[in-house]
Amino acid sequence: AQSVTQLGSHVSVSEGALVLLRCNYSSSVPPYLFWYVQYPNQGLQLLLKYTTGATLVKGINGFEAEFKKSETSFHLTKPSAHMSDAAEYFCAVSEKGGYNKLIFGAGTRLAVHP
Amino acid sequence: EAQVTQNPRYLITVTGKKLTVTCSQNMNHEYMSWYRQDPGLGLRQIYYSMNVEVTDKGDVPEGYKVSRKEKRNFPLILESPSPNQTSLYFCASSLGERGRISRTEAFFGQGTRLTVV
Repeated sequence: AQSVTQLGSHVSVSEGALVLLRCNYSSSVPPYLFWYVQYPNQGLQLLLKYTTGATLVKGINGFEAEFKKSETSFHLTKPSAHMSDAAEYFCAVSEKGGYNKLIFGAGTRLAVHP
Repeated sequence: EAQVTQNPRYLITVTGKKLTVTCSQNMNHEYMSWYRQDPGLGLRQIYYSMNVEVTDKGDVPEGYKVSRKEKRNFPLILESPSPNQTSLYFCASSLGERGRISRTEAFFGQGTRLTVV
């Protein structure tokens, strides 16, 4: 069965530092890939997704992610962290040709300190 | 404004007392689903619906029921809640894309925090 692994349940960075959140999926057939963000007391909001085409995907709020098939990875990055980026981030996959069942990783809580 | 609305946002109940969490979307989406979020486990799908009167089990359906009588509404029913159903619940909806909806964005409600004592 498909699974998603997010390395690091908590990540802490300084304001202005690089943000790197890791995500690996398990299937041999690349799925569709998503990153969602959850701010405190709110629902999930789509940051970006990869379905086809260019493997470097740009999303909202300056985030981007790169699909690497050989590494079965879809890591999320942002060059310079802002205090407002503090939130929980979820990587999710959806199998191609299926219905929209999202399989989520356990989440990574990002803390940004001054 | 496009949105998914869940009610209530917070609910404390006692074991065995039936409850319903409502979910409504205003985007005319065919696909709707329910997830529960637990620490360290991410979100897991409870039930989903491909369209009116079409529902099916997700990964953790035990103890839950759903119905889809109208396209916009997808209530989650706990007929006899137990403490292990204490969780944060999310409703989500997606637009069908010629039947291939696995690539489309899911829109989430703000969540319902349920505590069963």
